[in-house]
Amino acid sequence: EAAVTQSPRNKVAVTGGKVTLSCNQTNNHNNMYWYRQDTGHGLRLIHYSYGAGSTEKGDIPDGYKASRPSQENFSLILELATPSQTSVYFCASGERRAANTEVFFGKGTRLTVV
Amino acid sequence: QQQVRQSPQSLTVWEGETAILNCSYEDSTFDYFPWYWQFPRESPALLIAIRPVSNKKEDGRFTIFFNKREKKLSLHITDSQPGDSATYFCAARASSGSWQLIFGSGTQLTVMP
Repeated sequence: EAAVTQSPRNKVAVTGGKVTLSCNQTNNHNNMYWYRQDTGHGLRLIHYSYGAGSTEKGDIPDGYKASRPSQENFSLILELATPSQTSVYFCASGERRAANTEVFFGKGTRLTVV
Repeated sequence: QQQVRQSPQSLTVWEGETAILNCSYEDSTFDYFPWYWQFPRESPALLIAIRPVSNKKEDGRFTIFFNKREKKLSLHITDSQPGDSATYFCAARASSGSWQLIFGSGTQLTVMP
């Protein structure tokens, strides 16, 4: 079974502070993703990566940075956290195949910015 | 601009009924359509998927009907069970670039016993 581990699971941050969300996958997948989930919006893609050293902007990248230092690890960085970034963040990994693209999600990080 | 739209936002059915969840999309080049389900306080997981070469995909009580011309698809859950209560996301894959999945906003299904 695919294994994607996120840390921390819950985080309370202050406005203007720096927040780093970490993700580790043991599937040896090339692609990794960061989504945020908000009521009424579903899952929206923030950043993604094709492999170590690569990061790409998703649909809502403003206010976020990403870092992929290795195949296994993909971080999401909020340099100056704002209350509008309060959300549940999901990391996912997946393989790029012609027939399908299944992504495996971590358990999520609930971030509250006060 | 939502590229993948879902309706209804929420749906309640009785146990044993058929639940129908709808999805439509904008980009005719999308080439893969998975449905994910998410139980409360859990992460989304793949339920069933279809490619445009087919107009129907069945897996037990779950069936996807696909209409390429109208850019619509639907998920039918027959003999609905209370354990099917979850949020269902329709997604579409971009056919180029990262082949990333674009998710709809979800349908929250409640099956009453």
